[in-house]
Amino acid sequence: QVQLVQSGAEVKKPGASVKVSCKASGYTFTSYDINWVRQATGQGLEWMGWMNPNSGNTGYAQKFQGRVTMTRNTSISTAYMELSSLRSEDTAVYYCARDLRVPAATFDPWGQGTLVTVSS
Amino acid sequence: DIQMTQSPSSLSASVGDRVTITCRASQSISSYLNWYQQKPGKAPKLLIYAASSLQSGVPSRFSGSGSGTDFTLTISSLQPEDFATYYCQQSYSTLPTFGPGTKVDIK
Repeated sequence: QVQLVQSGAEVKKPGASVKVSCKASGYTFTSYDINWVRQATGQGLEWMGWMNPNSGNTGYAQKFQGRVTMTRNTSISTAYMELSSLRSEDTAVYYCARDLRVPAATFDPWGQGTLVTVSS
Repeated sequence: DIQMTQSPSSLSASVGDRVTITCRASQSISSYLNWYQQKPGKAPKLLIYAASSLQSGVPSRFSGSGSGTDFTLTISSLQPEDFATYYCQQSYSTLPTFGPGTKVDIK
Protein backbone atom coordinates (compact mmCIF):
# COMPACT_ATOMS: atom_id res chain seq x y z
CA GLN A 1 0.00 0.00 0.00
CA VAL A 2 1.04 3.60 -0.50
CA GLN A 3 2.91 4.74 2.56
CA LEU A 4 5.13 7.55 3.78
CA VAL A 5 7.31 6.77 6.79
CA GLN A 6 9.09 9.62 8.56
CA SER A 7 12.14 9.72 10.80
CA GLY A 8 11.89 9.90 14.56
CA ALA A 9 11.46 12.74 17.00
CA GLU A 10 14.18 15.36 17.38
CA VAL A 11 15.20 17.74 20.12
CA LYS A 12 17.24 20.75 19.02
CA LYS A 13 18.65 23.88 20.57
CA PRO A 14 17.71 27.33 19.30
CA GLY A 15 19.80 28.27 16.29
CA ALA A 16 20.41 24.68 15.24
CA SER A 17 19.10 22.88 12.16
CA VAL A 18 16.95 19.78 11.82
CA LYS A 19 16.60 17.40 8.89
CA VAL A 20 13.50 15.20 8.68
CA SER A 21 13.23 12.29 6.25
CA CYS A 22 10.18 10.84 4.53
CA LYS A 23 10.51 7.42 2.86
CA ALA A 24 7.92 6.54 0.23
CA SER A 25 6.77 3.06 -0.69
CA GLY A 26 3.98 1.46 -2.71
CA TYR A 27 4.16 3.85 -5.66
CA THR A 28 6.64 5.43 -8.07
CA PHE A 29 8.38 8.06 -5.94
CA THR A 30 9.22 10.34 -8.85
CA SER A 31 5.62 10.56 -10.09
CA TYR A 32 4.17 12.75 -7.32
CA ASP A 33 5.30 15.90 -5.55
CA ILE A 34 6.03 15.73 -1.83
CA ASN A 35 4.74 18.55 0.36
CA TRP A 36 5.58 19.43 3.95
CA VAL A 37 3.02 20.69 6.48
CA ARG A 38 3.59 21.44 10.14
CA GLN A 39 1.32 21.58 13.17
CA ALA A 40 2.20 23.15 16.50
CA THR A 41 0.71 21.42 19.53
CA GLY A 42 -3.02 22.02 19.67
CA GLN A 43 -2.86 24.27 16.63
CA GLY A 44 -3.85 24.14 12.97
CA LEU A 45 -2.01 23.04 9.86
CA GLU A 46 0.58 25.22 8.11
CA TRP A 47 1.90 24.46 4.63
CA MET A 48 5.66 24.86 4.21
CA GLY A 49 6.44 23.93 0.62
CA TRP A 50 6.68 21.31 -2.10
CA MET A 51 9.33 19.36 -3.97
CA ASN A 52 9.16 17.51 -7.27
CA PRO A 53 11.15 14.28 -6.73
CA ASN A 54 11.75 13.86 -10.44
CA SER A 55 13.30 17.25 -11.19
CA GLY A 56 14.24 18.36 -7.69
CA ASN A 57 12.33 21.61 -8.25
CA THR A 58 10.98 23.19 -5.11
CA GLY A 59 8.58 25.90 -3.97
CA TYR A 60 8.52 27.31 -0.46
CA ALA A 61 6.06 29.40 1.50
CA GLN A 62 7.45 32.90 1.84
CA LYS A 63 7.42 32.56 5.61
CA PHE A 64 10.10 29.85 5.38
CA GLN A 65 12.15 31.18 2.47
CA GLY A 66 15.83 31.18 3.34
CA ARG A 67 15.38 28.74 6.24
CA VAL A 68 13.92 25.62 4.60
CA THR A 69 15.48 23.28 2.08
CA MET A 70 13.67 20.32 0.52
CA THR A 71 15.71 17.63 -1.20
CA ARG A 72 15.44 14.01 -2.21
CA ASN A 73 17.37 10.81 -2.85
CA THR A 74 15.56 8.97 -5.62
CA SER A 75 17.68 5.82 -5.20
CA ILE A 76 16.02 5.22 -1.83
CA SER A 77 12.68 6.96 -2.53
CA THR A 78 13.23 9.41 0.30
CA ALA A 79 12.44 13.10 0.64
CA TYR A 80 14.05 15.42 3.15
CA MET A 81 13.08 18.69 4.79
CA GLU A 82 15.77 20.72 6.53
CA LEU A 83 14.87 23.73 8.64
CA SER A 84 17.63 25.97 9.93
CA SER A 85 17.99 28.75 12.52
CA LEU A 86 15.46 27.01 14.70
CA ARG A 87 13.53 28.96 17.32
CA SER A 88 11.05 27.90 19.96
CA GLU A 89 8.14 28.74 17.66
CA ASP A 90 9.31 25.97 15.30
CA THR A 91 8.37 23.35 17.88
CA ALA A 92 5.76 21.31 16.02
CA VAL A 93 4.91 18.03 14.36
CA TYR A 94 6.18 18.04 10.79
CA TYR A 95 4.33 15.99 8.18
CA CYS A 96 5.22 15.01 4.65
CA ALA A 97 2.36 14.34 2.24
CA ARG A 98 2.04 13.17 -1.34
CA ASP A 99 0.30 15.55 -3.75
CA LEU A 100 -2.32 13.67 -5.75
CA ARG A 101 -2.70 16.57 -8.18
CA VAL A 102 -6.45 16.11 -8.51
CA PRO A 103 -5.95 19.14 -8.69
CA ALA A 104 -2.61 20.23 -7.23
CA ALA A 105 -2.20 20.53 -3.46
CA THR A 106 -4.47 17.60 -2.66
CA PHE A 107 -2.59 15.66 -0.01
CA ASP A 108 -2.83 11.90 0.38
CA PRO A 109 -1.41 10.01 2.13
CA TRP A 110 0.45 11.75 4.92
CA GLY A 111 3.44 10.49 6.86
CA GLN A 112 2.95 9.70 10.52
CA GLY A 113 4.58 12.97 11.57
CA THR A 114 7.86 13.89 13.23
CA LEU A 115 7.89 15.90 16.45
CA VAL A 116 10.60 18.54 16.48
CA THR A 117 11.16 20.20 19.85
CA VAL A 118 13.26 23.35 20.03
CA SER A 119 14.42 24.04 23.54
CA SER A 120 17.50 25.36 25.29
CA ASP B 1 -2.98 34.82 1.21
CA ILE B 2 -6.41 33.22 1.06
CA GLN B 3 -7.89 32.98 4.55
CA MET B 4 -10.11 30.03 5.43
CA THR B 5 -12.64 30.07 8.23
CA GLN B 6 -14.77 27.24 9.61
CA SER B 7 -17.90 27.10 11.68
CA PRO B 8 -18.58 25.96 14.22
CA SER B 9 -15.20 25.63 15.89
CA SER B 10 -16.57 22.66 17.82
CA LEU B 11 -19.78 20.72 18.13
CA SER B 12 -21.20 17.93 20.21
CA ALA B 13 -23.28 15.28 18.51
CA SER B 14 -24.66 11.81 19.04
CA VAL B 15 -24.14 8.66 17.03
CA GLY B 16 -26.61 8.69 14.16
CA ASP B 17 -26.85 12.48 13.97
CA ARG B 18 -26.50 14.40 10.73
CA VAL B 19 -23.58 16.80 11.06
CA THR B 20 -22.78 19.79 8.86
CA ILE B 21 -19.55 21.80 8.94
CA THR B 22 -19.12 25.02 6.99
CA CYS B 23 -15.95 26.43 5.44
CA ARG B 24 -15.61 29.91 3.94
CA ALA B 25 -12.79 31.32 1.81
CA SER B 26 -11.77 34.98 1.83
CA GLN B 27 -12.05 35.05 -1.97
CA SER B 28 -13.47 32.81 -4.64
CA ILE B 29 -11.61 29.51 -4.96
CA SER B 30 -13.92 27.87 -7.50
CA SER B 31 -14.09 24.20 -6.40
CA TYR B 32 -10.49 23.97 -5.18
CA LEU B 33 -11.44 22.81 -1.72
CA ASN B 34 -10.40 19.69 0.19
CA TRP B 35 -11.57 18.24 3.49
CA TYR B 36 -9.43 16.25 5.95
CA GLN B 37 -10.15 14.31 9.12
CA GLN B 38 -7.62 14.21 11.94
CA LYS B 39 -7.78 12.06 15.04
CA PRO B 40 -5.66 12.81 18.13
CA GLY B 41 -2.02 11.89 17.63
CA LYS B 42 -2.58 10.93 14.00
CA ALA B 43 -1.91 12.49 10.62
CA PRO B 44 -4.73 14.10 8.65
CA LYS B 45 -6.64 11.90 6.23
CA LEU B 46 -8.11 13.12 2.95
CA LEU B 47 -11.90 12.73 2.82
CA ILE B 48 -13.14 14.98 0.00
CA TYR B 49 -11.24 16.69 -2.82
CA ALA B 50 -12.33 19.24 -5.40
CA ALA B 51 -15.23 20.23 -3.11
CA SER B 52 -17.38 17.17 -3.73
CA SER B 53 -15.32 14.17 -4.86
CA LEU B 54 -15.12 11.35 -2.35
CA GLN B 55 -11.61 9.99 -1.87
CA SER B 56 -11.28 6.26 -2.50
CA GLY B 57 -12.02 4.19 0.58
CA VAL B 58 -13.91 6.94 2.41
CA PRO B 59 -17.43 5.94 3.55
CA SER B 60 -20.29 7.36 1.54
CA ARG B 61 -21.81 9.00 4.63
CA PHE B 62 -19.29 11.79 4.01
CA SER B 63 -20.18 14.32 1.33
CA GLY B 64 -19.05 17.76 0.28
CA SER B 65 -20.65 20.61 -1.59
CA GLY B 66 -20.16 24.22 -2.53
CA SER B 67 -18.19 26.45 -4.84
CA GLY B 68 -16.86 29.98 -4.89
CA THR B 69 -16.44 30.99 -1.26
CA ASP B 70 -18.85 28.76 0.69
CA PHE B 71 -18.46 25.03 1.24
CA THR B 72 -20.03 22.32 3.37
CA LEU B 73 -18.95 18.95 4.72
CA THR B 74 -21.83 16.71 5.73
CA ILE B 75 -21.75 13.47 7.67
CA SER B 76 -25.14 11.88 7.07
CA SER B 77 -25.15 9.56 10.09
CA LEU B 78 -22.36 10.08 12.59
CA GLN B 79 -20.49 6.95 13.58
CA PRO B 80 -18.28 6.40 16.68
CA GLU B 81 -15.13 6.49 14.53
CA ASP B 82 -16.08 9.93 13.13
CA PHE B 83 -15.32 11.82 16.33
CA ALA B 84 -12.33 13.86 15.22
CA THR B 85 -11.25 17.30 14.02
CA TYR B 86 -12.09 18.29 10.46
CA TYR B 87 -10.08 20.76 8.38
CA CYS B 88 -10.85 22.39 5.08
CA GLN B 89 -7.99 23.42 2.76
CA GLN B 90 -7.93 25.53 -0.38
CA SER B 91 -5.78 24.40 -3.30
CA TYR B 92 -6.61 27.38 -5.52
CA SER B 93 -3.54 29.46 -4.85
CA THR B 94 0.16 28.59 -4.91
CA LEU B 95 0.07 28.94 -1.11
CA PRO B 96 -2.34 26.26 0.14
CA THR B 97 -4.03 27.27 3.38
CA PHE B 98 -6.11 25.39 5.92
CA GLY B 99 -9.08 26.33 8.01
CA PRO B 100 -8.69 26.36 11.81
CA GLY B 101 -10.57 23.09 12.22
CA THR B 102 -13.88 21.89 13.63
CA LYS B 103 -13.76 19.45 16.52
CA VAL B 104 -16.61 16.94 16.61
CA ASP B 105 -17.04 15.25 19.96
CA ILE B 106 -19.51 13.01 21.70
CA LYS B 107 -22.64 14.54 23.18
